[in-house]
Amino acid sequence: QVQLQESGPGLVKPSQTLSLSCTVSGGSVSSGNYYWSWIRQPPGKGLECLGYINYSGSIYYNPSLKSRGTISIDTSKNQFSLKLNSVTAADTAVYYCARGYNSGWYGVWGYWGQGLLVTVSS
Amino acid sequence: DFVVTQSPDSLAVSLGERATINCKSSQSVFYSSNNKNYLAWYQQKPGQPPKVLIYWASTRESGVPDRFSGSGSGTDFTLTISSLQPEDVAVYYCQQFYSTPQTFGQGTKVEIK
Repeated sequence: QVQLQESGPGLVKPSQTLSLSCTVSGGSVSSGNYYWSWIRQPPGKGLECLGYINYSGSIYYNPSLKSRGTISIDTSKNQFSLKLNSVTAADTAVYYCARGYNSGWYGVWGYWGQGLLVTVSS
Repeated sequence: DFVVTQSPDSLAVSLGERATINCKSSQSVFYSSNNKNYLAWYQQKPGQPPKVLIYWASTRESGVPDRFSGSGSGTDFTLTISSLQPEDVAVYYCQQFYSTPQTFGQGTKVEIK
């Protein structure tokens, strides 16, 4: 059973870069043509898919990031990552990493990490 | 972007009674070439990540109790809990993945009356 775990700082200052990693266990980020995503949820609000990637190099970013985001895969660590620069208070949220439910699927997110609250504040 | 709107925002249902949540997409999420609706339902309990319940609008995820069912096509969809149980207290989200960016509804909170 694949498991995902987010890691990174819980507090980031405005205008700085938010850097998160998602460590995958019970499976490989480089096999099965699975898509790996970042989804966030501001406190008390709904869900926003920020983007997703697969090992073959296909990457999608939500235009709402306005070119501030970068998603990458590190096969040596069996991780994938999110970098979001020039953060503001509006980026305060629980950040989830997730995997597509089936190989080749990038719409249904079947496996999720527990989430990491990132607060943007000075 | 496709706008997905759920109704109601919250509902309270007695144990054993039916709960019905509606989801409306601003544009059709039906793909005629494969006859599928690109819509999913998730359940999120407090302090937990969302869990997929249903995809393709009506296909139940493995292990999901059969009291959960999804229906609808095109732009209008429904999640029904046929007999509400205590463990069903949660926020439910619908999501369209027909078009990018995929978008979620605002959520419907289900409570026990």
